[in-house]
This record gives sequence, structure tokens and C-alpha cells, in this order.
Amino acid sequence: EDQVTQSPEALRLQEGESSSLNCSYTVSGLRGLFWYRQDPGKGPEFLFTLYSAGEEKEKERLKATLTKKESFLHITAPKPEDSATYLCAVRNNNDMRFGAGTRLTVKP
Amino acid sequence: GAGVSQSPRYKVTKRGQDVALRCDPISGHVSLYWYRQALGQGPEFLTYFNYEAQQDKSGLPNDRFSAERPEGSISTLTIQRTEQRDSAMYRCASSLMGGGTGELFFGEGSRLTVL
Repeated sequence: EDQVTQSPEALRLQEGESSSLNCSYTVSGLRGLFWYRQDPGKGPEFLFTLYSAGEEKEKERLKATLTKKESFLHITAPKPEDSATYLCAVRNNNDMRFGAGTRLTVKP
Repeated sequence: GAGVSQSPRYKVTKRGQDVALRCDPISGHVSLYWYRQALGQGPEFLTYFNYEAQQDKSGLPNDRFSAERPEGSISTLTIQRTEQRDSAMYRCASSLMGGGTGELFFGEGSRLTVL
């Protein structure tokens, strides 16, 4: 059965303190791994799609990487406005399944 | 429209009543998804459509839940004989491409409370 596991559940960082979020997955027929950002009370907002092992995508302070079993979302020198829940999702041949998310808090 | 629109934003109903939640996807988007999201959890897949065809309904919890997209645009998720455990945020998302590709664009959700 397809599974998406995110760690840690919650992460508190000081402004400027770089770190990484993990997404481990098992899926038959991976057709993309997606990262989303979700702010409280809002719907998830698309960040990146990765399709094959070794692929990397960057956007401002965020960089997503992909291996055959996991993806990392690296946050470099985060700012308080990066505080949000970050969701990982995998798309197989039929649908898109989400992990439970990592709740990131960046303190000034 | 400019984004995915869901209505109602908030629905409070009594146990045993039927509810219908509506989703208006981004114009031209082929795929439409329904998710349920509990507080502090990721979205839980319910069902999805390509055009008017329901491709996968394996995530629907039981036969009280049904969804339709009769003209390949607006979709309705119906919950019959609601129970308190149905209380959750119901989110709709659409994707430009069908065939299992492309990112999802989410609506603001419909918060259902069953008393």
C-alpha cells in the first residue's frame, strides 16, 4: 500500500537557522513527488514537483531534492514568514496521497 | 474563475441530515479531486474525476458518501445521514492535466460540523 511519512512532525527554528524536512515514501508507479505549503485556515499551495531521483528544484530559501525512497525540503536561513505546515504528496497512477505534514515555526 | 471555489464555506447540520458540498474548479481544468482534512493532519484522499468520469472512489469512507461531476466542471460531494465523525474540512482541488500529472490547486475548503 502506498505510504507517505513526514518527519519531524514539528520543527522550531531560530531565524537564520537552516534545516531540512524529510518525506519518506513507498508507492507503486511514482508519477511525481510534490511539496506544498499550507498556512493556517488556507488550502495547500503548490511549491515543487520532482519526477526522478537526483532531481532538485529551488525557490528562494527552499530547495527540494529526491531519491528513490525519500525527498528532502531544505530551508536555508529561514525567516519568520516561512512558518507554515509543509506537506509532501506522491502521485501514483491513480491519485495523489499526502503525508501528515511538518509544522515549521521560525522565531525571530 | 480565477481559483477553485467551494461552497458553503461553513456548514453546521444535525446528525442524520444530508449535506451537499459544491466545488467549482478552475476553468479548463481536467481533473478534480476531493479530500478531507482533519486538524493537524494532511489531506486524506476521497475521490477524483477526469472530466465527468469518476476515476477512483477508493477513498470514500462508506456508501453514505458520493460525488458527481455530471458536465465535467462543477462537482458535488454528498454525505447522506451525516454522523458526528463526518465533521471535518472538506477540500476540493483541480488540476489542468489529467492522466495523473500536474500539480493541484486547492480551494479554501468547506468546514462541516455535525451536531
